[in-house]
Amino acid sequence: AQKITQTQPGMFVQEKEAVTLDCTYDTSDPSYGLFWYKQPSSGEMIFLIYQGSYDQQNATEGRYSLNFQKARKSANLVISASQLGDSAMYFCAIRIQGAQKLVFGQGTRLTINP
Amino acid sequence: GAVVSQHPSRVICKSGTSVKIECRSLDFQATTMFWYRQFPKQSLMLMATSNEGSKATYEQGVEKDKFLINHASLTLSTLTVTSAHPEDSSFYICSARTVNNSPLHFGNGTRLTVT
Repeated sequence: AQKITQTQPGMFVQEKEAVTLDCTYDTSDPSYGLFWYKQPSSGEMIFLIYQGSYDQQNATEGRYSLNFQKARKSANLVISASQLGDSAMYFCAIRIQGAQKLVFGQGTRLTINP
Repeated sequence: GAVVSQHPSRVICKSGTSVKIECRSLDFQATTMFWYRQFPKQSLMLMATSNEGSKATYEQGVEKDKFLINHASLTLSTLTVTSAHPEDSSFYICSARTVNNSPLHFGNGTRLTVT
């Protein structure tokens, strides 16, 4: 079975600083995908970034980048130049190749202070 | 991008009644949709996988007779909470993806309160 662990229940960061949200995963399957989603207080889930297990380079999407360390089974999300609107819950998730469902971590609540 | 619409966004019902939640893919066909439940300050837990034209696949511990799922078309899946009780109060959110290996696109969720 797959498992996602997010060890930071809450993070507080000053506006414009960079922030790293931790995510470690556990799977025995060699082919999998890792996802990060943002959930504002309104509840919708917003897809941020994806990393495939065979991708050679770390994924980047605008201010979001993924620090993928396969040997350590970690997929940390880095948000550069944080903004007040980045305040939200952030979930890391894994899906193994061929499976349909996403398995989510417990989430990290990020608060950006002005 | 792909849009998933979920309705209603909020519903309050009395204990013992049934509530239907709709999930529509607006600009793509979704042969598979997923229903998640999220309790306050907790993560999303998959309830069931909804397959167009066939029976849903429920996760362990989810009562299929209580949470009825119908996926009658390629753009619509419904979740009916039957004989709702206060402990069913939760945030229900559906999702779908356009093709295999693409990210899931989520609806805006339904906050159910059973009084």
